Amino acid sequence: SAVISQKPSRDICQRGTSLTIQCQVDSQVTMMFWYRQQPGQSLTLIATANQGSEATYESGFVIDKFPISRPNLTFSTLTVSNMSPEDSSIYLCSAPTGGANYGYTFGSGTRLTVV
Amino acid sequence: GDSVTQMEGPVTLSEEAFLTINCTYTATGYPSLFWYVQYPGEGLQLLLKATKADDKGSNKGFEATYRKETTSFHLEKGSVQVSDSAVYFCALSPRGYSTLTFGKGTMLLVSP
Repeated sequence: SAVISQKPSRDICQRGTSLTIQCQVDSQVTMMFWYRQQPGQSLTLIATANQGSEATYESGFVIDKFPISRPNLTFSTLTVSNMSPEDSSIYLCSAPTGGANYGYTFGSGTRLTVV
Repeated sequence: GDSVTQMEGPVTLSEEAFLTINCTYTATGYPSLFWYVQYPGEGLQLLLKATKADDKGSNKGFEATYRKETTSFHLEKGSVQVSDSAVYFCALSPRGYSTLTFGKGTMLLVSP
């Protein structure tokens, strides 16, 4: 199955600043997904990133706040813009894997604390 | 829309006890079903999956059977270990590659 390298693993940021999270997949994948996991909560989908087109955002998430890039089939970034303490969460990227190992692989997550 | 409901935690067990974490789902068609595990401070790892009715997924002593008649995918393990302490997420995905819908997660705490 695919392996996803995600960085940074954690960061502490000042409010009002932005952080860009990167995910590198070791194989080409058509779709990548970005999730947010607030403290003690489940995962909420932020957006779906397809190569060559704009990301598709879920209700409650907007491009100005969470711009996403997908320059090729192995890489994606998520930026958390103009951060506030409410953005403190774990952010995870994910990609589907196919064939006999059908499933979804996740990056190790970015633990963001906004102070 | 699709949804996943799993039992509230934390589930607290002694080592070698039997584990069941209930999961039921609502979805149209025939979704694929998954259990993911999140160890403290880490990302999600796929524990097991089932892609059609009556399939049994298994891994590391954990099992779950896709029951379409009861729309359930309960996770079981015959003898838990301290190292199994983690948060377990039940999830579904419609046919084909699309997003996962997660349950709220169940924390498992195993004491020696």
